[in-house]
Amino acid sequence: AQSVTQLDSQVPVFEEAPVELRCNYSSSVSVYLFWYVQYPNQGLQLLLKYLSGSTLVESINGFEAEFNKSQTSFHLRKPSVHISDTAEYFCAVSEYSTSYGKLTFGQGTILTVHP
Amino acid sequence: NAGVTQTPKFRILKIGQSMTLQCTQDMNHNYMYWYRQDPGMGLKLIYYSVGAGITDKGEVPNGYNVSRSTTEDFPLRLELAAPSQTSVYFCASSFPGQGATEAFFGQGTRLTVV
Repeated sequence: AQSVTQLDSQVPVFEEAPVELRCNYSSSVSVYLFWYVQYPNQGLQLLLKYLSGSTLVESINGFEAEFNKSQTSFHLRKPSVHISDTAEYFCAVSEYSTSYGKLTFGQGTILTVHP
Repeated sequence: NAGVTQTPKFRILKIGQSMTLQCTQDMNHNYMYWYRQDPGMGLKLIYYSVGAGITDKGEVPNGYNVSRSTTEDFPLRLELAAPSQTSVYFCASSFPGQGATEAFFGQGTRLTVV
């Protein structure tokens, strides 16, 4: 079984400041890693994912995350945030095989960007 | 493409009542899921299905039932609603295979049991 811990429940930042949302996971098998974003009153949308290869993955809107196997972490970063980045962010994992794409989620981090 | 469509968007139930949350997807995905989201708890898997006629329990299945008669539809049934089932419910789907494990989510159903 796997588990995901998001270390911050809320992160307030000012516009154009950098931000890091932290995610640690625990699993006895290899996993895929994901970050999903949820805007108010909406469903979840995939932000980025790590399946294999380069440990640094990027999204189209400037977010990036780095897979660190030794520290079992997958922290999300953005060098300069916008008001529109205000949302709840979820880190999730699924097992390589036999998981049928089932996701285990962290508790979520609410990112609030202030002007 | 509509993607994953859930109905209704909101519902208030009285304790002991029953209801079905509807979910349909038009992406021909084999895998479908039901999650519930509670504040500060993330999302928990209730049930999932790997194809028509095949369903299995997730982490929190008690109080719920599902069926999968077609590839497109995956309804979630609450038989005797309880206050503990007050939550936001999300249906999701995905296509099997490495690299295709991205899940597509519906907009959610906000259920209140009073």
